[in-house]
Amino acid sequence: AQSVAQPEDQVNVAEGNPLTVKCTYSVSGNPYLFWYVQYPNRGLQFLLKYITGDNLVKGSYGFEAEFNKSQTSFHLKKPSALVSDSALYFCAVRDMNRDDKIIFGKGTRLHILP
Amino acid sequence: NAGVTQTPKFQVLKTGQSMTLQCAQDMNHEYMSWYRQDPGMGLRLIHYSVGAGITDQGEVPNGYNVSRSTTEDFPLRLLSAAPSQTSVYFCASTPDGGEGNTEAFFGQGTRLTVV
Repeated sequence: AQSVAQPEDQVNVAEGNPLTVKCTYSVSGNPYLFWYVQYPNRGLQFLLKYITGDNLVKGSYGFEAEFNKSQTSFHLKKPSALVSDSALYFCAVRDMNRDDKIIFGKGTRLHILP
Repeated sequence: NAGVTQTPKFQVLKTGQSMTLQCAQDMNHEYMSWYRQDPGMGLRLIHYSVGAGITDQGEVPNGYNVSRSTTEDFPLRLLSAAPSQTSVYFCASTPDGGEGNTEAFFGQGTRLTVV
């Protein structure tokens, strides 16, 4: 069965510094990988995805993520953090070779310090 | 184009009551899913459907029923509400992956409290 691990419950970063939110996955076939963001009392907003091709994918609000097949990781990154980036971030995986369901990690709360 | 619409936004139930959370999408997506979000637990998959007439269990299906009679609608039924079902529920709609369209679209959620 597919699974997603986000090893950090919370990440604290000073404004202007680079940020990384970690994600590792397990899937039997080829993974489709996603990052979503949730602001307080809101639904989930799609940030970016990896399907195939270039291992570095770019998404909304200056975020990017690096797919590493050998380490089964898909870490979210941003070169310079903003206070407005403070939110809850979810990594997710979809196994297109099996039942197509999308499984989410437990989420990482990102706190950007002014 | 409304996307994914969930109703109601808020609901309080007494233990043992039943209710149906509604979810509708207007994007003609084949796949629909229900998740619950609890603090520290992330989003957990309750049930999902890969098309009209087809449903399957997710990670936490107990206490919930679903049906998919049309492509557009995917209601979630709580058979006999329990305090452990207090949560925020999200419905998601997902395209079939053609042309790289693979990500899920979410409704705004239903906050359910069982007392």
